[in-house]
Amino acid sequence: AQKITQTQPGMFVQEKEAVTLDCTYDTSDPSYGLFWYKQPSSGEMIFLIYQGSYDQQNATEGRYSLNFQKARKSANLVISASQLGDSAMYFCAMRVKNRDDKIIFGKGTRLHILP
Amino acid sequence: DTAVSQTPKYLVTQMGNDKSIKCEQNLGHDTMYWYKQDSKKFLKIMFSYNNKELIINETVPNRFSPKSPDKAHLNLHINSLELGDSAVYFCASSPRPGQGGTEAFFGQGTRLTVV
Repeated sequence: AQKITQTQPGMFVQEKEAVTLDCTYDTSDPSYGLFWYKQPSSGEMIFLIYQGSYDQQNATEGRYSLNFQKARKSANLVISASQLGDSAMYFCAMRVKNRDDKIIFGKGTRLHILP
Repeated sequence: DTAVSQTPKYLVTQMGNDKSIKCEQNLGHDTMYWYKQDSKKFLKIMFSYNNKELIINETVPNRFSPKSPDKAHLNLHINSLELGDSAVYFCASSPRPGQGGTEAFFGQGTRLTVV
């Protein structure tokens, strides 16, 4: 069975510091994709970054990077130079490319950026 | 141009009523989903459709019935609403694997309150 685990329910970080949000996953399928989404207090789900299981390099999108360690089955999100606007819920998600085409989510990490 | 749009954004109704939430995507994606986000922010997949065909029904009570008249629309009808149905319901769409792109695009959510 596929599973996503986020072990940090909440984090407090000083503005301008780098942040690492942890995510581990479990699947026996060789082909999968990993995502991070941000959900601010306004409620919308914002896609941040994607990593494919066969991608050789870690994904980066602006201040976001995904630290993909396949052997450890981890896909941590790194936010560099955090900003007040980064305060939000962050969800790690996985899509396994088989017939049961679904995207499953972790329980999320609530990130608070302190001024 | 909204990529995935859901209506209504808020829905307050009494127990026992029947209600529908509509979802439309203009991205040309083959796959559409319904997710339920509970008060603890946990996102649980309810249904997945691929090109109008039901792929996943995640042990959702049969009071919930999705309807996909075409691949751009996936509506959710709920019969005999119960207090426990109160949640935020998200519609999402994604390209099928190999169609190009992988992430899911979410609607703005429908906050359902059953009183």
